[in-house]
Amino acid sequence: AQSVTQLGSHVSVSEGALVLLRCNYSSSVPPYLFWYVQYPNQGLQLLLKYTTGATLVKGINGFEAEFKKSETSFHLTKPSAHMSDAAEYFCAVTGSGGYNKLIFGAGTRLAVHP
Amino acid sequence: DTAVSQTPKYLVTQMGNDKSIKCEQNLGHDTMYWYKQDSKKFLKIMFSYNNKELIINETVPNRFSPKSPDKAHLNLHINSLELGDSAVYFCASSGAGLDPYNEQFFGPGTRLTVL
Repeated sequence: AQSVTQLGSHVSVSEGALVLLRCNYSSSVPPYLFWYVQYPNQGLQLLLKYTTGATLVKGINGFEAEFKKSETSFHLTKPSAHMSDAAEYFCAVTGSGGYNKLIFGAGTRLAVHP
Repeated sequence: DTAVSQTPKYLVTQMGNDKSIKCEQNLGHDTMYWYKQDSKKFLKIMFSYNNKELIINETVPNRFSPKSPDKAHLNLHINSLELGDSAVYFCASSGAGLDPYNEQFFGPGTRLTVL
């Protein structure tokens, strides 16, 4: 079975500071990994994804993530936080058996303060 | 134009009632999904349809019955609603094929409250 662990249910940073949201996965097959963002009272929006190839993946809004197989990690970073980045962030991995079944982590709420 | 839409946005009802949530996508996608997000924001897949055929059914109580009249629509009917059904339900869709790297596009969610 596949699973995702997001370390830290709440992360708070100052505007302009580095954002680091942690994600570790478990998978018996090569994983496809995703980060989604959920703004208040909205649906989920894809930030970025890793499938194959380059392990450093760039996404929208200045976010990027690096796939590290040896550490089974896919941490999300942004060099400089904006107030508008405040949201819930979800890491996800494709489930076993194909069919595009996303297995989500519990989410990390990012707060950005002035 | 909204890519994945859901109706209603909010649904408040009494225990024991039967209710439906509708989902429509105008992206031309073949695959649609229902997810449940509980009060702790945990997201879990419930169902998936590909070309109107059920392909994922995640040990959901049989009070929940998805129906896909065509590729663009996936509705969720819930019988005999229980307090524990209170959650936000998200519909999603993804492109041609069942490849796991196809991005899923999510609707805005339906907040169901069972009293």
